[in-house]
Amino acid sequence: EPQLLESGGDLVPPGGSLRLSCAASGFTFSGYAMSWVRQAPGKGLEWVSTISGTGDATYYADSVEGRFTISRDQSKNTLYLQMNSLRAEDTALYYCAKDQGHPLQNYYLDYWGQGALVTVSS
Amino acid sequence: QSVLTQPPSVSGAPGQRVTISCTGSSSNIGAGCDVHWYQHLPGTAPKLLIYGNTNRPSGVPDRFSGSKSGTSASLVITGLQADDEADYYCQSFDSSLSGSKVFGGGTKLTVL
Repeated sequence: EPQLLESGGDLVPPGGSLRLSCAASGFTFSGYAMSWVRQAPGKGLEWVSTISGTGDATYYADSVEGRFTISRDQSKNTLYLQMNSLRAEDTALYYCAKDQGHPLQNYYLDYWGQGALVTVSS
Repeated sequence: QSVLTQPPSVSGAPGQRVTISCTGSSSNIGAGCDVHWYQHLPGTAPKLLIYGNTNRPSGVPDRFSGSKSGTSASLVITGLQADDEADYYCQSFDSSLSGSKVFGGGTKLTVL
């Protein structure tokens, strides 16, 4: 069964940077798109970004466009989220998730990690 | 405000049936995009409950069912059990937002 394990969460000052990682196992990593979803304290789930299985297509929520970069290393079965210019409102639990379905507008998230906590505060 | 609208809370007694609605628009659910549902206990990994409007992954009890009509979708839970108490989210895709998955605001289910 697919397993996803996030790491890299930390306390960061406003304007700082952080990179999250998500180690994937139990499935053919390069065959699937992958996504990041976050949940701010007391709030609901918010989609952040998606990357295609090949890595050649990326998508971002307006709230992070230009500040966050999603990428993947197929040789390491690892997904990344580089977060720059962090703001207090980026404080959240960040989940890595495996995409399933076809085409893009019918994608859903069939496996999720436990999350990595990012706190942006001075 | 979420692109997809859900009631903030619903409740029911053990054994009863509850329905959670998810209302969208012509740029998401009404555009023919599938609706999916997740069960989430805060601090844990969300769990896929329904995909493609009506389909249950293996291991999800048939007490959970989904439907879609027009610009709305619904999740129905029958035979409520105490461990159904959780947050439930609908998810779709919005064609007005590039590559964008969209979630409902979430519904807290309380089992009385």
